[in-house]
Amino acid sequence: DVVLTQTPPTLSATIGQSVSISCRSSQSLLDSDGDTYLNWLLQRPGQSPQLLIYSVSNLESGVPNRFSGSGSETDFTLKISGVEAEDLGVYYCMQATHAPLTFGSGTKLEIK
Amino acid sequence: EIQLQESGPGLVKPSQSLSLTCSVTGYTITSGYDWSWIRKFPGNKMEWMGYISYSGSTNYNPSLKSRISITRDTSKNQFFLQLNSVTTEDTATYYCARYEYTTGVMDAWGQGASVTVSS
Repeated sequence: DVVLTQTPPTLSATIGQSVSISCRSSQSLLDSDGDTYLNWLLQRPGQSPQLLIYSVSNLESGVPNRFSGSGSETDFTLKISGVEAEDLGVYYCMQATHAPLTFGSGTKLEIK
Repeated sequence: EIQLQESGPGLVKPSQSLSLTCSVTGYTITSGYDWSWIRKFPGNKMEWMGYISYSGSTNYNPSLKSRISITRDTSKNQFFLQLNSVTTEDTATYYCARYEYTTGVMDAWGQGASVTVSS
C-alpha cells in the first residue's frame, strides 16, 4: 500500500499567519492517465471530513482561496495563506492513484 | 443537496459482526458514483474500507477482504457495511461517503457513527 507521511503532526499558528503542511508519498502518485490523484481534506472538531483540494491543486467549490495545493510525483504541500479561526482541525492528504486508497497520518492545526 | 447518514449499534461484542447502514438523500445511489465506507481510529488514522458502485459491483481493501461485505437496498436508497469477527482493534468512527472513481474524490460524507468493540 502507498504510505503517505505528513509533517508536521501538529502545527500551532496565530490568526493571519501562513502555514504549510507536507505530504510525502512512498510511490509516485502520477497516474498513467497523466493525472495525479492527491487530495487534501479537513476534519474540523465534531464534523466529518470535507474536501478542500483535489488532484494536487484544484480548489473544491466553496473552499476559500487562502487554501492552495502544489507538488508532484511524491512531494506535495498544502498552504494556508492567512490562517483563520475556522481553519482549526485535522488535515489529511489522501491518494487515489494506487489501490487501495490511502490517507496520510494527519496534521492537527491549532490556533494560538 | 446530497446528505448521507450512518446508523447502527454503537457497541459490538468481540467476535460478533458489526453492521451499519448509510441512508442517502438528495441523490439516487444507482445514478452514479461509488458508495464508500471509511473509518477513523482513535488517534487520527484513517482507513478506506471499500465501496459498492452505482452498478452494484464491490471493491474492498485487501486488508479486510475476508471480513467485509458491502451491500445495498436500492428501494430505500441505502447501502450497508458488515464487518465480521470484530476485535477491539475495530473500534473506530465509521463514515460513509460518496466517491467518484474517475477523479479520486470523496465529495460528500456522513457525520460518522462511533462503534466500540468491547465485551
